[in-house]
Amino acid sequence: AQRVTQPEKLLSVFKGAPVELKCNYSYSGSPELFWYVQYSRQRLQLLLRHISRESIKGFTADLNKGETSFHLKKPFAQEEDSAMYYCALRGRSNDYKLSFGAGTTVTVRA
Amino acid sequence: GAGVSQSPRYKVAKRGQDVALRCDPISGHVSLFWYQQALGQGPEFLTYFQNEAQLDKSGLPSDRFFAERPEGSVSTLKIQRTQQEDSAVYLCASSLGSWSGGSYTQYFGPGTRLTVL
Repeated sequence: AQRVTQPEKLLSVFKGAPVELKCNYSYSGSPELFWYVQYSRQRLQLLLRHISRESIKGFTADLNKGETSFHLKKPFAQEEDSAMYYCALRGRSNDYKLSFGAGTTVTVRA
Repeated sequence: GAGVSQSPRYKVAKRGQDVALRCDPISGHVSLFWYQQALGQGPEFLTYFQNEAQLDKSGLPSDRFFAERPEGSVSTLKIQRTQQEDSAVYLCASSLGSWSGGSYTQYFGPGTRLTVL
């Protein structure tokens, strides 16, 4: 079974401070990991995927297979980063289903 | 261009009523997904279509839930004899390709918020 855990429901940081959203997963194989974001009154959208190894809006995430983690990081948070963030996993064997964590609400304060 | 659209955006039903939720995917997208998002939770997979074929319905919570995509475009999720536990946001997503070796981004609609009284 595949499972994604986001231990923090809420995260509050000051503008300019670093922010890290934790994501741990369980999957017996090599999964594909994603971060999705939902800004206020907008739809869920893809932020980044681990296979791209790119930085989007200053965010990066590294897949750590040893720790089964895919934490999302940004060195200097901005007010526009306030949103709900979901970590998601897609297994290789049936690679159409996305399994989501419960989400973390990030608030960036001025 | 236009993204995934869903209608209605909000639906209030009395317990026991039947409801139908509509999804218009991005034109030309082969794959279509339905997810259920309960309050305070992440989306949970319900079912998957590749064109008109429903290839996976393992996430449908009961036989009261039924989904179709008869012409490989618009999809409808129907819930019969609604119960209070069916209250959730129902999300539709579409992606360009099928799942034979490819990896395609899923684009989500705005969701339909269903409240069962």
